[in-house]
Amino acid sequence: QVQLVQSGAEVKKPGASVKISCQTSGYTFSRNAIQWVRQAPGQSLEWMGWVNAGNGGTKYSQKFQDRLTITRDTSASTAYMELTSLTSEDTAVYYCARDVIWFDPWGQGTLVTVSS
Amino acid sequence: DIQLTQSPSVLSASVGDRVIIACRASQGISTYLAWYQQKPGKAPQVLIYTAATLQSGVPSRFSGSGSGTEFTLTISSLQPEDVATYYCQQFKSYPITFGQGTRLEIK
Repeated sequence: QVQLVQSGAEVKKPGASVKISCQTSGYTFSRNAIQWVRQAPGQSLEWMGWVNAGNGGTKYSQKFQDRLTITRDTSASTAYMELTSLTSEDTAVYYCARDVIWFDPWGQGTLVTVSS
Repeated sequence: DIQLTQSPSVLSASVGDRVIIACRASQGISTYLAWYQQKPGKAPQVLIYTAATLQSGVPSRFSGSGSGTEFTLTISSLQPEDVATYYCQQFKSYPITFGQGTRLEIK
């Protein structure tokens, strides 16, 4: 079955960067984009960006344009999301998801806590 | 950006009740809409896509309808395991956006 498994929880200081991995299995990695979505505590879902797993092309939300980088490693069937210049407002659970036009399935989520 | 407004924000119903959650888009999105269920501490899971297509494996008590700007998610007979937060999502255009969520509780 299709699975997306994310790296573990992170605690970061303000101003630092975080890089989360999303390892996929059960399908041909290059055929679907990988989307990234985050969810702050008690809040709704917020789309961040995606990577075309085939050619590496990306599209980012304007909100994160300056500090977000999404990449992929086709040999490892893994996508990565790096967010820089972290503030407390970036404390959230970060999800990857396979793009089948809608999102299915999702990774289990990675909690990022930004605290001094 | 396309805004999605869900109503109600919180819904309390009894087991066996018919439950309807609405999602309104700020501009027409045809049927480029999906519904997700998120249980506490878990990732969202798709229930419905293209407004009315039931995802494989999802119980038939769930159904979706609508097009343009008005959409609904219906649970025909509420079950205890349906306690969750439900989100609509539009994929008509970027940035992809989600509704604010509807938290469904059992009375």
